[in-house]
Order: sequence, then structure tokens, then C-alpha cells
Amino acid sequence: QPVLTQPPSSSASPGESARLTCTLPSDINVGKYNIYWYQQKPGSPPRYLLYYYSDSDKGQGSGVPSRFSGSKDASANTGILLISGLQSEDEADYYCMIWPNNARVVFGGGTKLTVL
Amino acid sequence: EVQLVESGGGLVQPGGSLRLSCAASGLSFRTYTMSWVRQAPGKGLEWVSYISGTGDTIFYADSVKGRFTISRDNAKNSLYLQMNSLRAEDTAVYYCARGDRYTGYEYWGRGTLVTVSS
Repeated sequence: QPVLTQPPSSSASPGESARLTCTLPSDINVGKYNIYWYQQKPGSPPRYLLYYYSDSDKGQGSGVPSRFSGSKDASANTGILLISGLQSEDEADYYCMIWPNNARVVFGGGTKLTVL
Repeated sequence: EVQLVESGGGLVQPGGSLRLSCAASGLSFRTYTMSWVRQAPGKGLEWVSYISGTGDTIFYADSVKGRFTISRDNAKNSLYLQMNSLRAEDTAVYYCARGDRYTGYEYWGRGTLVTVSS
């Protein structure tokens, strides 16, 4: 079962950008998968943020601000969630996910984002 | 508005059984793949199982395979998770979620807590 690697924690100041990463195992090509991102605040269920496959194939969750965006770094086999113009309410846990065809769904371990 | 409401959680002894339910509304239930995702206290999200709209495609996480059974009743707009041979490590909040590999999990319930302890 593949493991998606996310840094346990990240921090940035209000107004800055936060770049959260999700690294796939070397035997799984990030270019072949939708990368899904979720936000979770304490005591609440996860909230769907967006998915990213390519610049021409991506989608934003309902009501999710455009300052949340996705991308990929193929050279690092990594999916990226970029949060620009950080706000205090963005402080939360963030999870990435892939859903291979006819296979098990996999979540990353999550990154706790602190807005300083 | 899509609503997913889980029920059936509670305290159960190791080795015991529990059946979770998820009542769905505001969607054409039978057309959607449905899943269970759990979260142990203070831990990350762990996918448990999914079932296709017709019920003919089912997958389980290795950690629950052979002990848990996912099912659905499209006439009742309901999803189920029968959990047998429960272990302490199954203690978690169990979420019902709607979505598939093309959409991800767009909708989540609020979860139901399962505690396995003697």
C-alpha cells in the first residue's frame, strides 16, 4: 500500500504564502493521479478543498477561496497545496489523498499548519 | 443540500461487533460511490472501505479486511459498516463520505465515535 509523505508541521505568518507538500513513493508517478486536498479543523470533519491533475484539469471545492491552489512538481514526484494571503482561519490540518483506479484510497499523514 | 448522518457508534469490548449506519439525503444516492474513513484520536485520516453505487465494486483497507463488511441499501439511501472482531486499534471517529476517484470526497458526515475497550 503506497504511503503519501507530508511534513508533520509547517508555519507561516499572516499575509504570507504556505506551500504544503505531498510526496508519492518513487514507484508511483504523481503525473498519473488526481491529488486531492482536505482541510480539517479541531472537532470538525474534513473539508474538501480542491483537486489537481494538471493546469487544464483541476477543480475547486464549493466555496473554497481561490487563494487555495494546487500544483505538482514532477521532478520531486510531489503534489503541492499553495495557500496565498494566509489568514488566521487557515490554521488547520491539511491532508492529501490519491485514489488509484480499482485500488485502495490513500491519505497522507497530514500537515499541521500554524499561522504565526 | 447533501447531508450524511452517521450513527451506531459506541463503546464495545475487544472482540465485539458493531454496525454503523450512514443516512444520506439531498443526493441521488444510488449513483454515488460511498466510503468509510476513520480517524483515531489525535491521528490522521485512514481510509477504511468504499462501495460503488451498484454495490458490485468493494475495496477494503488491509487493516480491516476480513473483519469489516461494507454494504448499502439504495432504497433506504443508507450505507452500512458491519465491524466484527473489533480491536483497540479500531477506536476512532468513523466518517461516511461521498465521492469517487474522479471527484474525491466532496461531502462528509460529522462522524460517529467507536471506542473499543474493556
